[in-house]
Amino acid sequence: AQKITQTQPGMFVQEKEAVTLDCTYDTSDQSYGLFWYKQPSSGEMIFLIYQGSYDEQNATEGRYSLNFQKARKSANLVISASQLGDSAMYFCGSTSYGKLTFGQGTILTVHP
Amino acid sequence: SAVISQKPSRDICQRGTSLTIQCQVDSQVTMMFWYRQQPGQSLTLIATANQGSEATYESGFVIDKFPISRPNLTFSTLTVSNMSPEDSSIYLCSVLTSGRYDEQFFGPGTRLTVL
Repeated sequence: AQKITQTQPGMFVQEKEAVTLDCTYDTSDQSYGLFWYKQPSSGEMIFLIYQGSYDEQNATEGRYSLNFQKARKSANLVISASQLGDSAMYFCGSTSYGKLTFGQGTILTVHP
Repeated sequence: SAVISQKPSRDICQRGTSLTIQCQVDSQVTMMFWYRQQPGQSLTLIATANQGSEATYESGFVIDKFPISRPNLTFSTLTVSNMSPEDSSIYLCSVLTSGRYDEQFFGPGTRLTVL
């Protein structure tokens, strides 16, 4: 079984600043993947970034980077140079055999 | 990547009725899933839609309540049966492509309100 914990119900950031969204996970699998998705108010799920458990380098996708600390079982999302359009719900998740387990989400609000 | 469409995009239904949600993918995919997102909550996996065989349900979800079909590699349906207001949720299908990692793409979702 997998469990994802996001301890920040809401986060605020000023436009153009960086923000870190926290995520910890618990899994008994030897091999697993970790994801972040963005869900705007429209409800669509937008894939942001993926980290494999055996990847030695932290994943990066444009302004998004995943700070993967395996020993601490954490997979924090860092968004650099925040934009107003980044305001949304963010879900951390893990995957095992294709099945996704999601955390409770963090609402990010970007202030101008 | 994969382009996924869902029908209907939203619906308002009466208690005790059933609704069938369709999920169409623009390419053949290995795995398809159905998720539920209750108001203000995270996503929860309902079941894995298996092509040509019965779906695999997660704990707390049963076939009588959420029958699923997957007649081919690009299409699946989820039926929400004998609905109650507690079934009001967003229902999303997702697909697993054979990319370099397990990246799942989600459909736009079906917003269901049960009165």
